[in-house]
Amino acid sequence: AQSVTQLGSHVSVSEGALVLLRCNYSSSVPPYLFWYVQYPNQGLQLLLKYTTGATLVKGINGFEAEFKKSETSFHLTKPSAHMSDAAEYFCAVSAAGNQFYFGTGTSLTVIP
Amino acid sequence: IAGITQAPTSQILAAGRRMTLRCTQDMRHNAMYWYRQDLGLGLRLIHYSNTAGTTGKGEVPDGYSVSRANTDDFPLTLASAVPSQTSVYFCASSPSGSFNEQFFGPGTRLTVL
Repeated sequence: AQSVTQLGSHVSVSEGALVLLRCNYSSSVPPYLFWYVQYPNQGLQLLLKYTTGATLVKGINGFEAEFKKSETSFHLTKPSAHMSDAAEYFCAVSAAGNQFYFGTGTSLTVIP
Repeated sequence: IAGITQAPTSQILAAGRRMTLRCTQDMRHNAMYWYRQDLGLGLRLIHYSNTAGTTGKGEVPDGYSVSRANTDDFPLTLASAVPSQTSVYFCASSPSGSFNEQFFGPGTRLTVL
């Protein structure tokens, strides 16, 4: 079985500060991991994904995430927050059967 | 490129009424999904379809039904709406394979009174 835990339902950072959104997963098989972003009143957009290969994955808008198998983590980071980064972020895990399991989301607020 | 379209954008519905939410994709993806999004609960899978002609139950299927007559369309039906089905509904699609991301529609905001 697969599941995702996102630590912190709300995160606030100052503009220009480091963004760190935490995601831990459980999976009985090697997982595929995803981060999505949702802007107000919109659907989800893919930020980045890990399937195989390099464990540090770079995505759109300057975001990146590192797959750490030993810690069962896939935390999302961005060196310098921008006002436009304010949104809801979802971590998801996928394994056999095409099904995704989403975390409950983290709302990011960027303070000017 | 339209991607995934959903209709209606929003709807207010009286309890007990029947409602069909429409979803169409033009990417020729094999797999399609319906989720509901509720505050604090994230996205929960209602039903899915791995290919045209097949459907499966997700985490919260009760009160909902789906059909997949062709590759492009995946309607979600509430046979007799109840207030607990008030939510934002998202349709998604993906190519086959667990390593492929899902592409999401813009959502339908449904209120059941």
